[in-house]
Amino acid sequence: AAGVIQSPRHLIKEKRETATLKCYPIPRHDTVYWYQQGPGQDPQFLISFYEKMQSDKGSIPDRFSAQQFSDYHSELNMSSLELGDSALYFCATALDRYNEQFFGPGTRLTVL
Amino acid sequence: KNEVEQSPQNLTAQEGEFITINCSYSVGISALHWLQQHPGGGIVSLFMLSSGKKKHGRLIATINIQEKHSSLHITASHPRDSAVYICAVRSGYSGGGADGLTFGKGTHLIIQP
Repeated sequence: AAGVIQSPRHLIKEKRETATLKCYPIPRHDTVYWYQQGPGQDPQFLISFYEKMQSDKGSIPDRFSAQQFSDYHSELNMSSLELGDSALYFCATALDRYNEQFFGPGTRLTVL
Repeated sequence: KNEVEQSPQNLTAQEGEFITINCSYSVGISALHWLQQHPGGGIVSLFMLSSGKKKHGRLIATINIQEKHSSLHITASHPRDSAVYICAVRSGYSGGGADGLTFGKGTHLIIQP
């Protein structure tokens, strides 16, 4: 069965650079969630989209932005990267906003 | 105080033992998820519950909404069950509907052969 796809799987950036993380949902899933998991930490919710509209906002820094496109894939844009942004970034998708979330494999971002 | 509390934090057991992991939460929720995370980092959804009990293979999850408590049970545990088990809740009250999950700290489970 098709799963959630995230790209890239690994990313290394320098401080103050920008990064774009991509999430491709399971077919027919119209809801996307982004989570950040720092080293040794539990995941923290960043932002979610339902039917291409922002739905809920968590602890997403102002330096980050995200959107969901017409094909339902989503991108998380991160600017002015800081060392503390180094983390595993998961996206999860769901059939709709009330259904079970299925997680992608994550993108491991390292900021040097 | 974390809104989602799990116990125990760490659990080591012998193969074949019956395992119970507990989760308590302090907020009103619309759903509770049990997730499994392996050392490589990938997260697998095990259950989503809003009431009652669910069973999948050797895994059983229960929830008591009145007591704000859920349990995950593993029967006939096996070394391949070794992972971090995470309880996460969805409030359902943001208005937008697609509410992000609030995670517990996880239970590190090791099953020894």
